[in-house]
Amino acid sequence: SQTIHQWPATLVQPVGSPLSLECTVEGTSNPNLYWYRQAAGRGLQLLFYSVGIGQISSEVPQNLSASRPQDRQFILSSKKLLLSDSGFYLCAYTWGRRRTDTQYFGPGTRLTVL
Amino acid sequence: AQSVAQPEDQVNVAEGNPLTVKCTYSVSGNPYLFWYVQYPNRGLQFLLKYITGDNLVKGSYGFEAEFNKSQTSFHLKKPSALVSDSALYFCAVRVTSNTGKLIFGQGTTLQVKP
Repeated sequence: SQTIHQWPATLVQPVGSPLSLECTVEGTSNPNLYWYRQAAGRGLQLLFYSVGIGQISSEVPQNLSASRPQDRQFILSSKKLLLSDSGFYLCAYTWGRRRTDTQYFGPGTRLTVL
Repeated sequence: AQSVAQPEDQVNVAEGNPLTVKCTYSVSGNPYLFWYVQYPNRGLQFLLKYITGDNLVKGSYGFEAEFNKSQTSFHLKKPSALVSDSALYFCAVRVTSNTGKLIFGQGTTLQVKP
């Protein structure tokens, strides 16, 4: 069975500091991977997605970047955090390439920028 | 353009009563529709999906959803609500590409009162 992990679970960072959030998937190969941000406990904003190693597509130009150094690892980064980067960050994966495949979510990382 | 709408920010029901959370969609081509639930500070959990076939889809935790092509709706239902069903519910539609991307509604908070 597949599982998805995110860490850290909670993070408090000062403005201007760097960021690295990690997401890993187990039990599958070559998944599609996604980073979302959820602000104020409501809507989900797709930030990045990846269909393969080194392939990153950005949905919203902003202060963040993503990388996929390994097949099942997806990293969200920032060189200098802004207050507006605070939120709940969710990683997700799809196992398979069919449009009918389900997207599964990780437990999330709560980021607070002070 | 593809879109999903959840017209109600919040739905309140009494425990034991039936519940409905509404979702309407706009897509080109065949719709692939999903429902997710989110508990506080948790990732999204997959409930059910409509791909094709029977218009009544059964999912986890006693939830079901009714697909109505003529009304372009995919409402989530449960015959008897539990207090533990109180959470944030998201409807989503798959985009017409091989990226696996989903478009999410803004979410509906379900409050079940004892």
